[in-house]
Amino acid sequence: GESVGLHLPTLSVQEGDNSIINCAYSNSASDYFIWYKQESGKGPQFIIDIRSNMDKRQGQRVTVLLNKTVKHLSLQIAATQPGDSAVYFCAENIPGYALNFGKGTSLLVTP
Amino acid sequence: SQTIHQWPATLVQPVGSPLSLECTVEGTSNPNLYWYRQAAGRGLQLLFYSVGIGQISSEVPQNLSASRPQDRQFILSSKKLLLSDSGFYLCAWSTGEGSYNEQFFGPGTRLTVL
Repeated sequence: GESVGLHLPTLSVQEGDNSIINCAYSNSASDYFIWYKQESGKGPQFIIDIRSNMDKRQGQRVTVLLNKTVKHLSLQIAATQPGDSAVYFCAENIPGYALNFGKGTSLLVTP
Repeated sequence: SQTIHQWPATLVQPVGSPLSLECTVEGTSNPNLYWYRQAAGRGLQLLFYSVGIGQISSEVPQNLSASRPQDRQFILSSKKLLLSDSGFYLCAWSTGEGSYNEQFFGPGTRLTVL
């Protein structure tokens, strides 16, 4: 079946650098995508979303890019801080179905 | 504003014992409700979802069951726990309106079956 996947299971970056977390999806019917952040022992928290009729959306220090041609989604975090250390999940909304979550990428910010 | 609660926060149960985890949502009406399980270091596995009172869809066959006795209450149960039921259980809700259904997660319940 079709699924959402992540290119890298772990990512280590230095404090102050920019982080890029990637996600691939394969269902062309997906019309909405969300990035979640999950800190250890807590539930996932919404970071940013993007609809399929957009290719870029910016939030505070975060940018999501959507490339529908290659079915690729990325989350960019500017000036990464220690508090950004967490697991990041992408999720795709397939109309008529519940959200389909990727397996997650662990981001570790080192001083 | 909307809030979602789960309890208990942590639970240690022996194999073969029953289970009841509760989730309630405040500040919204007729939400879609979801139960997920997350194994250590893994992604989210959708277990059940509900679009209304008494309406439950099961995504994964197993010894767990779900019920929705009230509009904003979602319960996850088991008659006899297995070791493999250990994990982090997350409840979530969404508005269910339109096509763009961001889900909001509760704080989770850490279940350890011994």
